[in-house]
Amino acid sequence: AQSVTQLDSQVPVFEEAPVELRCNYSSSVSVYLFWYVQYPNQGLQLLLKYLSGSTLVKGINGFEAEFNKSQTSFHLRKPSVHISDTAEYFCAVRFGGGADGLTFGKGTHLIIQP
Amino acid sequence: DGGITQSPKYLFRKEGQNVTLSCEQNLNHDAMYWYRQDPGQGLRLIYYSQIVNDFQKGDIAEGYSVSREKKESFPLTVTSAQKNPTAFYLCASSTRVYEQFFGPGTRLTVL
Repeated sequence: AQSVTQLDSQVPVFEEAPVELRCNYSSSVSVYLFWYVQYPNQGLQLLLKYLSGSTLVKGINGFEAEFNKSQTSFHLRKPSVHISDTAEYFCAVRFGGGADGLTFGKGTHLIIQP
Repeated sequence: DGGITQSPKYLFRKEGQNVTLSCEQNLNHDAMYWYRQDPGQGLRLIYYSQIVNDFQKGDIAEGYSVSREKKESFPLTVTSAQKNPTAFYLCASSTRVYEQFFGPGTRLTVL
């Protein structure tokens, strides 16, 4: 079965420190990869996406992610976090080329400590 | 402004009642989706529609129904057959393989 795994349910980080949120997926088909952020009681906002081309993609708010096909990973990074980055982060994958729904990981709660 | 609207923001349901959640988009997207979010569970797909008058079941369709009579609208009905409906419901739309745009969500609580 196709699945998306976010290994860490919570990641505490001190302000201005770097952070990496991990995402792995299990599939041999073509994939389209996304990271979304969710603030409390709100919808999801797209941070960045990988559709094709360069494996290093840059998104909003200083985030970036790297697609690693051999390791089936799409980890999210930020070199220096801010208190406003406290939120839930979701990795999502579209398997294949159709317009089916996305498969989401269970989310990682990023907690920024002052 | 283009976007997706969901209403109401909060909804309370008595046991045995059907309730309908509204989702409207003015992005001219063909595809629309409904997800359910529970704490620690991520988002799970309920139904999706790639074109007007057509829709498909997602992973957790039991106890839910949808319609797609207009391109802009994709309402979700939570029926009395859904035994545990308390959750946060998110509607999304997209153009084929590209990213999905999400509405602000409806929080449904069973009294």
